Amino acid sequence: EAGVVQSPRYKIIEKKQPVAFWCNPISGHNTLYWYRQNLGQGPELLIRYENEEAVDDSQLPKDRFSAERLKGVDSTLKIQPAELGDSAVYLCASSLRGANYGYTFGSGTRLTVV
Amino acid sequence: TQLLEQSPQFLSIQEGENLTVYCNSSSVFSSLQWYRQEPGEGPVLLVTVVTGGEVKKLKRLTFQFGDARKDSSLHITAAQPGDTGLYLCAGGGNMEYGNKLVFGAGTILRVKS
Repeated sequence: EAGVVQSPRYKIIEKKQPVAFWCNPISGHNTLYWYRQNLGQGPELLIRYENEEAVDDSQLPKDRFSAERLKGVDSTLKIQPAELGDSAVYLCASSLRGANYGYTFGSGTRLTVV
Repeated sequence: TQLLEQSPQFLSIQEGENLTVYCNSSSVFSSLQWYRQEPGEGPVLLVTVVTGGEVKKLKRLTFQFGDARKDSSLHITAAQPGDTGLYLCAGGGNMEYGNKLVFGAGTILRVKS
């Protein structure tokens, strides 16, 4: 069974440019999460989807970040415009039964804004 | 301030030594999970503990959930270079934070051969 697939693995962009990350969760996992992990820190939740509905986006900086999960499967996270402080690893995870049963993470996208 | 405090932040030991890392909180969690993350990869789930006082063993790794479900520990016996990585604890089911995992900052473990 394929795991959570993310692309691209690495992205380097200049500040003020847009960038998008893509995630394909494990088949059948209704819940999808986007996390951001800064160097030396644990992941922090940006947004959580139940099927196609964003049920927790309280930590998503909505002035520049947006996300969508059309048809309740794949998801895209976008930043426009990117700032230097957005440099981090963006992790996508999915789960079948929620927070108490563990998540499966993708390998992440390492974003560098210069 | 982190909801989950992990200690130590960094640990460098020789192959064959034992070690314990800690995850502490002032909040109660329904579950506590441990993940290991290698450079350039996402975290991989090692174990989930859900009952206060629960102890789980996974080969040379022993996980314990505190009686009050506020803290946990991970003990590794006879560490090997392959154990090197970032160990993250994560709490789930905290009423204040809803149905999402909250992560600690992690413990970086380096095992030298």
